[in-house]
Amino acid sequence: NAGVTQTPKFQVLKTGQSMTLQCAQDMNHEYMSWYRQDPGMGLRLIHYSVGAGITDQGEVPNGYNVSRSTTEDFPLRLLSAAPSQTSVYFCASSYSTRSNTEAFFGQGTRLTVV
Amino acid sequence: RKEVEQDPGPFNVPEGATVAFNCTYSNSASQSFFWYRQDCRKEPKLLMSVYSSGNEDGRFTAQLNRASQYISLLIRDSKLSDSATYLCVVNTNAGKSTFGDGTTLTVKP
Repeated sequence: NAGVTQTPKFQVLKTGQSMTLQCAQDMNHEYMSWYRQDPGMGLRLIHYSVGAGITDQGEVPNGYNVSRSTTEDFPLRLLSAAPSQTSVYFCASSYSTRSNTEAFFGQGTRLTVV
Repeated sequence: RKEVEQDPGPFNVPEGATVAFNCTYSNSASQSFFWYRQDCRKEPKLLMSVYSSGNEDGRFTAQLNRASQYISLLIRDSKLSDSATYLCVVNTNAGKSTFGDGTTLTVKP
């Protein structure tokens, strides 16, 4: 049982490049989400999904796309990387959309855009 | 105004000290409340849920005041291993989580 797995752990992109951050969970969780964390700040919600085929925007969705074709996978796509997207990205999942369920996080992807 | 606001910190305390963190939230529709712990450059992990009746887990006590929209975390007898950033988290009924910016605690020998 691996929990939430994110790849890659580190990435350097040039401005304008695109890439996909991968996230997979093996806990059969309904709810998955992507956050970014900038230095000295909390996590800000980018996009989330309440189940396969359903996604919605969070607080800071601009410049990112997501899809949820399976329960297990929730990739985050950067369309055209910008230096402002330099951050640590965390994927999380939780058992259901009920408010009182614990979120489990991946180990994070440290992205630098130059 | 941010939806979830925490003491900015940092808190630097000696071993054995008692330290309290405060958090306020603005969305009165918030349903569930948590404290997460985040070690340097690591992912957040659940420390404890927060209930209206207050709850305790060893040296950690969490309190919720729904009327004042206020959450607290008390750590007694601080250990070096308690050094971390503590994140206040508020969930809506749809399961969306809003994080505070975190309060950093350093416990010194």
